[in-house]
Amino acid sequence: DVKVTQSSRYLVKRTGEKVFLECVQDMDHENMFWYRQDPGLGLRLIYFSYDVKMKEKGDIPEGYSVSREKKERFSLILESASTNQTSMYLCASSDPGTSGINEQFFGPGTRLTVL
Amino acid sequence: RKEVEQDPGPFNVPEGATVAFNCTYSNSASQSFFWYRQDCRKEPKLLMSVYSSGNEDGRFTAQLNRASQYISLLIRDSKLSDSATYLCVVATGFQKLVFGTGTRLLVSP
Repeated sequence: DVKVTQSSRYLVKRTGEKVFLECVQDMDHENMFWYRQDPGLGLRLIYFSYDVKMKEKGDIPEGYSVSREKKERFSLILESASTNQTSMYLCASSDPGTSGINEQFFGPGTRLTVL
Repeated sequence: RKEVEQDPGPFNVPEGATVAFNCTYSNSASQSFFWYRQDCRKEPKLLMSVYSSGNEDGRFTAQLNRASQYISLLIRDSKLSDSATYLCVVATGFQKLVFGTGTRLLVSP
């Protein structure tokens, strides 16, 4: 059974703080993703990675960076948190396989509040 | 215009009813299509993939119309446990998914 874990379920930070969100998957998946989910806007892709040390910008990368030093771990970094980054953050992983787009498995999410 | 559009609902139906959700997508080059299910305060999970020929999984039937850029999900004999938000998802490129905002379903006794 694929398991994607995230370091915190709830996090409260202050404006200007540097924030790290950690994600770990245990199925040796090559691809990992960070999304944020907001009411009325759905899930939006922030960054993704298809290999160690590789990263690609998603649709809303501004204000975020990522790090993938090991295959199983993908970190999302908010360099200087702002109130408009209050959101639910979801990590996902997938294996490209041979048949094209494969299922993405999600972690339980981190609800981040920036005060 | 959003890449993937869904009616947000909620759809309120009694147990045993049949309910259908629709979704439209704007990118004609989209390659793969899915329905994900998200329970309240939980993460999304894959419900089923959607194929041009249509596919069925128990009480769930998904259809794709590439010409109209339209995807549907039909749920027959609704159960209380079907209450959730259903996300229409389109793959537009290398492993990249675009999610609709979801349609909320409430099944009542």
